[in-house]
Amino acid sequence: AQKITQTQPGMFVQEKEAVTLDCTYDTSDQSYGLFWYKQPSSGEMIFLIYQGSYDEQNATEGRYSLNFQKARKSANLVISASQLGDSAMYFCAMRVDSSYKLIFGSGTRLLVRP
Amino acid sequence: NAGVTQTPKFQVLKTGQSMTLQCAQDMNHEYMSWYRQDPGMGLRLIHYSVGAGITDQGEVPNGYNVSRSTTEDFPLRLLSAAPSQTSVYFCASGSTSGRVGTGELFFGEGSRLTVL
Repeated sequence: AQKITQTQPGMFVQEKEAVTLDCTYDTSDQSYGLFWYKQPSSGEMIFLIYQGSYDEQNATEGRYSLNFQKARKSANLVISASQLGDSAMYFCAMRVDSSYKLIFGSGTRLLVRP
Repeated sequence: NAGVTQTPKFQVLKTGQSMTLQCAQDMNHEYMSWYRQDPGMGLRLIHYSVGAGITDQGEVPNGYNVSRSTTEDFPLRLLSAAPSQTSVYFCASGSTSGRVGTGELFFGEGSRLTVL
């Protein structure tokens, strides 16, 4: 069975600083994908970034990067130069390539301080 | 740009009542799914479909039924509502093809359901 663990229920970061949100995963499959989603207070879910298990380089999308450490089974999200609009819930998720199911972690609430 | 449309946005039910949450998408996505979101538990998959006439169970399917008669629509039915089904429900759709596959989902705005 697949499992996603986010151990930080809430975090604070000062505006313009970088922040790392932790995510660990568990799967016996060799081929899988890791994803991060953002949920602002308005409630919608927004796809941020994707990392394939065979990708040699860490994924980046603008100010978002995914620190992928396969041996440790971790897929941490790094947000650089935090902005007030980054305040939101962030969910890590995983999908094994043999399945259509996307499994989510419990989320981390990030608050950016001015 | 409609994307994924869910109705209703809010609903209050009494225990034992039935209702259907509607979901429609206009992106021609093969994959559609329903999640529920509860505090501290993230999103949990209820049911999903990879095309018309094809449905399958997710992590928490009990108490819910689905059907997929068209590519566009994927309704979620609660046959006999229980207080434990009080939650926020999200419908999401995605493409089954490509490298990212069904990991990149497009979500509706959510439906907040309260069962008394």
